[in-house]
Amino acid sequence: GIQVEQSPPDLILQEGANSTLRCNFSDSVNNLQWFHQNPWGQLINLFYIPSGTKQNGRLSATTVATERYSLLYISSSQTTDSGVYFCAVELTGGGADGLTFGKGTHLIIQP
Amino acid sequence: NAGVTQTPKFQVLKTGQSMTLQCAQDMNHEYMSWYRQDPGMGLRLIHYSVGAGITDQGEVPNGYNVSRSTTEDFPLRLLSAAPSQTSVYFCASRTGRTQYFGPGTRLLVL
Repeated sequence: GIQVEQSPPDLILQEGANSTLRCNFSDSVNNLQWFHQNPWGQLINLFYIPSGTKQNGRLSATTVATERYSLLYISSSQTTDSGVYFCAVELTGGGADGLTFGKGTHLIIQP
Repeated sequence: NAGVTQTPKFQVLKTGQSMTLQCAQDMNHEYMSWYRQDPGMGLRLIHYSVGAGITDQGEVPNGYNVSRSTTEDFPLRLLSAAPSQTSVYFCASRTGRTQYFGPGTRLLVL
């Protein structure tokens, strides 16, 4: 099956810092999403971004489908950004087989 | 809209017991799915459904059964719980390519 690798696995930053999270995937995908799992366990959809660039406030994401990677940028970090960030993909032609998740990047923002 | 709801929030079972994890959504989404999340791991797909009466297996289906009699509900059944099924279970529904997750059920099997 498709492999999804996220880096770094852990990241500790001070409030106000910027960060870049990376997601590499091993095959062509027609669906790539970024999720944030907050410290209470709730999963929130951040971006649907199989290609191109999107921005939402302090967060932005870029996917370069031809090179099989996606980046999530967080600017001016706040303590509420803490949690685990997951990248999840779905194979091109994969039908309704569901998302394959990476293991996540655990982000801690210190005040 | 309540979105995706799951019950119970927490459950402790003994090995060999059975139980059903409930999942409901009020967004009229056709596609629903169940994932499990283990420590240090991403989510892994257990079963999914593309509409009422249609279900299929995901990556880790062994030990779990599902059915989909209505668009709104997608229960997950553990017929004979095992310690390896200790996990956090997430139900999701989907419209287009966007997934919406429930709050999760924490299950401990002793």
